[in-house]
Amino acid sequence: SQQGEEDPQALSIQEGENATMNCSYKTSINNLQWYRQNSGRGLVHLILIRSNEREKHSGRLRVTLDTSKKSSSLLITASRAADTASYFCSSGAGSYQLTFGKGTKLSVIP
Amino acid sequence: NAGVTQTPKFQVLKTGQSMTLQCAQDMNHEYMSWYRQDPGMGLRLIHYSVGAGITDQGEVPNGYNVSRSTTEDFPLRLLSAAPSQTSVYFCASSYGGTGDIQYFGAGTRLSVL
Repeated sequence: SQQGEEDPQALSIQEGENATMNCSYKTSINNLQWYRQNSGRGLVHLILIRSNEREKHSGRLRVTLDTSKKSSSLLITASRAADTASYFCSSGAGSYQLTFGKGTKLSVIP
Repeated sequence: NAGVTQTPKFQVLKTGQSMTLQCAQDMNHEYMSWYRQDPGMGLRLIHYSVGAGITDQGEVPNGYNVSRSTTEDFPLRLLSAAPSQTSVYFCASSYGGTGDIQYFGAGTRLSVL
């Protein structure tokens, strides 16, 4: 079963706008990670947030984690055309099996 | 810095053929894993390994075999290819497991006719 589910499935914005995507998960986690996948490429790690953290920043990225709601959000500020990609969340629950959601496909229009 | 290298990049098989997808990493990572990605789906875990000689099944292991004789290599074998195995396959590695950053290969796009 899918542990992480991203929302929305697709998002289209103008360059310069902010993009927000959400992730929900089902069971308790130790950490949650966000990855980016450009078309036809492998996944690239963006940010990891641990279960005892509420917010984390990396450049134009801001991730929040609400363990009471079992949800996380990824905010990309001042988006660029190069941010066009699919974004996935993944969660580890203490086992050796990492699960991924179906992703949010972000299109940034120049 | 090679990272995680997957070969081949593309492959076409006929139903019933066998093949091995290669995955190698040069980061001395203990944890390695194989995923498949189908259209509209996330990544689904096929098999994983926590070190040389140790492998285990993931969510969708049927039709696939793995072995881990060295820390660097984690090949995925398709025993008798079926059209349902048409997919993009990704190998990933990390230092200690799911709590660490996963480094992904570029993928192998497989078509089974």
